[in-house]
Amino acid sequence: SQTIHQWPATLVQPVGSPLSLECTVEGTSNPNLYWYRQAAGRGLQLLFYSVGIGQISSEVPQNLSASRPQDRQFILSSKKLLLSDSGFYLCAWSVGGQGETQYFGPGTRLLVL
Amino acid sequence: LAKTTQPISMDSYEGQEVNITCSHNNIATNDYITWYQQFPSQGPRFIIQGYKTKVTNEVASLFIPADRKSSTLSLPRVSLSDTAVYYCLVGLNTGFQKLVFGTGTRLLVSP
Repeated sequence: SQTIHQWPATLVQPVGSPLSLECTVEGTSNPNLYWYRQAAGRGLQLLFYSVGIGQISSEVPQNLSASRPQDRQFILSSKKLLLSDSGFYLCAWSVGGQGETQYFGPGTRLLVL
Repeated sequence: LAKTTQPISMDSYEGQEVNITCSHNNIATNDYITWYQQFPSQGPRFIIQGYKTKVTNEVASLFIPADRKSSTLSLPRVSLSDTAVYYCLVGLNTGFQKLVFGTGTRLLVSP
């Protein structure tokens, strides 16, 4: 069966510090990978998606970046965090086909102070 | 991607059937309709997906009229643990799919 992992689960960082959130998927090959952010009480905002190694597409201009160094690894980064980067970050995967469904990880709650 | 409209919140009691309706007037021919459930501090969880008529699984039913401009998620005999936010999404059923999550419907089930 497929599983998706995210770490850390929670993170408190000062403004201006760097960020690295990691997501890994097990039990599937060549998945589509996604990063979402969810502000408190709001819906999910798609940040980045990737259809293959080294292929990253950005949905929202911001000070965040994403990388996919391996087939089942997706990393979200920032060189300098802003207060507005606080939120709940979710990684998801899917496999193309009929009725493609996304499966979400447990999420990382980030608080920037 | 087709835009969806759902009620912001709904209240129910344990044991009742809950029906959440979603409007998607601009749904395209190849779009599927998918519902997700999200508990606080967790990622959304797939509930059910359909294209037309009716789909049923072990947790819910999805009713889609012939014009497909709306859909209704039906939760039979809800319990307290069904308190969550429910999202309706529409999108392409093949290849890469960018999902657009709205604010969803916040369902509160009371004793």
